[in-house]
Amino acid sequence: EPEVTQTPSHQVTQMGQEVILRCVPISNHLYFYWYRQILGQKVEFLVSFYNNEISEKSEIFDDQFSVERPDGSNFTLKIRSTKLEDSAMYFCASSGYRVGNTIYFGEGSWLTVV
Amino acid sequence: AQSVTQPDIHITVSEGASLELRCNYSYGATPYLFWYVQSPGQGLQLLLKYFSGDTLVQGIKGFEAEFKRSQSSFNLRKPSVHWSDAAEYFCAVGPPAAGNKLTFGGGTRVLVKP
Repeated sequence: EPEVTQTPSHQVTQMGQEVILRCVPISNHLYFYWYRQILGQKVEFLVSFYNNEISEKSEIFDDQFSVERPDGSNFTLKIRSTKLEDSAMYFCASSGYRVGNTIYFGEGSWLTVV
Repeated sequence: AQSVTQPDIHITVSEGASLELRCNYSYGATPYLFWYVQSPGQGLQLLLKYFSGDTLVQGIKGFEAEFKRSQSSFNLRKPSVHWSDAAEYFCAVGPPAAGNKLTFGGGTRVLVKP
């Protein structure tokens, strides 16, 4: 069973610090995503990425956030200056290019901003 | 705009009993529908998905779901639950396109009594 892997699994950071969350999508997938889940709330879409550019982003994904595929395997989410309200579980996901392809999720990175 | 409602926040069921989780969606056209499961400390695992064709969809772990267009519902069922089915279950809807962004419901937490 292919899987999406994420690091770190947990991170505690001080408010105002930069955080980078890393993901290794499934190797032959072409679409990459970040979602987040604030404790007790719904899983929310942040951004999708295809062909080395953002294909769609939500209103949550403001200038504090950025995504990058720095090499052929990693996909990162950077939060430039973290706020308390950024505390959440962040899920990376990936899917193939065909209509109807399953979106596979990683196990998540739990970010706590103090 | 697409949306998903899972009316039941918690459900408690006895081991061996049947389970039905409700999901209602709002979407302008025929959507793609998904059920994911999240066990404690784990990521989101796909149980099943519906794109077209037979409205009764079989998934993993003995789960099935039925798409009812007239009721805008996609309820998840399992005839006989096991203690390992205790988890949180999320219904999601997405547009029929590659790289589709998913909109999740609020989730239903299932507790299994011995």
